[in-house]
Amino acid sequence: DTAVSQTPKYLVTQMGNDKSIKCEQNLGHDTMYWYKQDSKKFLKIMFSYNNKELIINETVPNRFSPKSPDKAHLNLHINSLELGDSAVYFCASSPWIAGEFDEQFFGPGTRLTVL
Amino acid sequence: KNEVEQSPQNLTAQEGEFITINCSYSVGISALHWLQQHPGGGIVSLFMLSSGKKKHGRLIATINIQEKHSSLHITASHPRDSAVYICAGGSQGNLIFGKGTKLSVKP
Repeated sequence: DTAVSQTPKYLVTQMGNDKSIKCEQNLGHDTMYWYKQDSKKFLKIMFSYNNKELIINETVPNRFSPKSPDKAHLNLHINSLELGDSAVYFCASSPWIAGEFDEQFFGPGTRLTVL
Repeated sequence: KNEVEQSPQNLTAQEGEFITINCSYSVGISALHWLQQHPGGGIVSLFMLSSGKKKHGRLIATINIQEKHSSLHITASHPRDSAVYICAGGSQGNLIFGKGTKLSVKP
């Protein structure tokens, strides 16, 4: 059974379009994250939600908007896609244990290509 | 300069060799994570540690809080260990990543 799943796995779209990437975890974790891995394979955090509440919001364009309908889901919506948005996006989740964020479990990634 | 620095950037080893990957950080962290990214792209968490040493199979991770330094060791390396190893410093769930060490183990 997949612990952290993302859909779609691949997304190819034109500049200017709006797209969403979905993430679901069945681990019962309280915290979910979105990361961007650029063409040089460098990972950077974008957002984090704890119990559906935004706790980390790094400097990303406001064209990116995360939405957490419940603890098990954290979706990423991107408006007006640009060439520079092409990257692999990873979702992750972690438990909240004794007031601390614990080990993170990553989804398989979504490769976004903007043409 | 990145707040989390790894060395070496690339590492080639012969099967059976003992491997060490180093990570230094300049920010305050509550935990240090070691991740493995497979050639296919998937990311797996290997260790999360805030002090001392952890061991899992042939993998050992250590951290020295005072020196802000961590090491990942692989004993008796195997071609299946070939991957990118990434360290990340974390506080309040916010991870800052190193650029990764690409390990290639030759049979």
